[in-house]
Amino acid sequence: KQEVTQIPAALSVPEGENLVLNCSFTDSAIYNLQWFRQDPGKGLTSLLLIQSSQREQTSGRLNASLDKSSGRSTLYIAASQPGDSATYLCAVGETDSWGKLQFGAGTQVVVTP
Amino acid sequence: NAGVTQTPKFQVLKTGQSMTLQCAQDMNHEYMSWYRQDPGMGLRLIHYSVGAGITDQGEVPNGYNVSRSTTEDFPLRLLSAAPSQTSVYFCASSYSGTSGGAKTQYFGPGTRLLVL
Repeated sequence: KQEVTQIPAALSVPEGENLVLNCSFTDSAIYNLQWFRQDPGKGLTSLLLIQSSQREQTSGRLNASLDKSSGRSTLYIAASQPGDSATYLCAVGETDSWGKLQFGAGTQVVVTP
Repeated sequence: NAGVTQTPKFQVLKTGQSMTLQCAQDMNHEYMSWYRQDPGMGLRLIHYSVGAGITDQGEVPNGYNVSRSTTEDFPLRLLSAAPSQTSVYFCASSYSGTSGGAKTQYFGPGTRLLVL
């Protein structure tokens, strides 16, 4: 059974510092990996999706890397802002039934002014 | 487009009551799914559907039923509510794209359910 882990569970950084969020998974036979953002009391917003054949994806200040062989993905957020404060979740898409996602528990990020 | 919509936003039930959580999407997505989110546990898949008339169980299906008669709607039914079903429920949808396989998933705003 695929297990997805996100460490740390919580992170606090001063504004302007780069954020590094980690996600690890136990089974490298994945279809894709997505990073989501969740604001308190809200739904999930997709940030980046990396297909299993890709090594990274970029969108603005966000960059996500994928290393299937080591079972790791990293989300980098450059020059953090207070508006980046949220919970970030990674989710692994399984190969045996497309669309099914296995989620990590998330990393709660606070960016202080 | 409204995207993925869920109703109600909040519901209180007594143990043993039944109810239906509604989910609709207007993006013509084939794939729809239901997740529950509990503190410290991330989201867990309850049921999913790869098209109208096709549903399957996820990781935590017990106590829940689904059906998919149209592409747009995917309701989740709680048969006899239990306190363990107190959670936040999210509906999601996705399309397969021309190259096959699921693409980016879009989530609804969630339904907060409290079972007393």
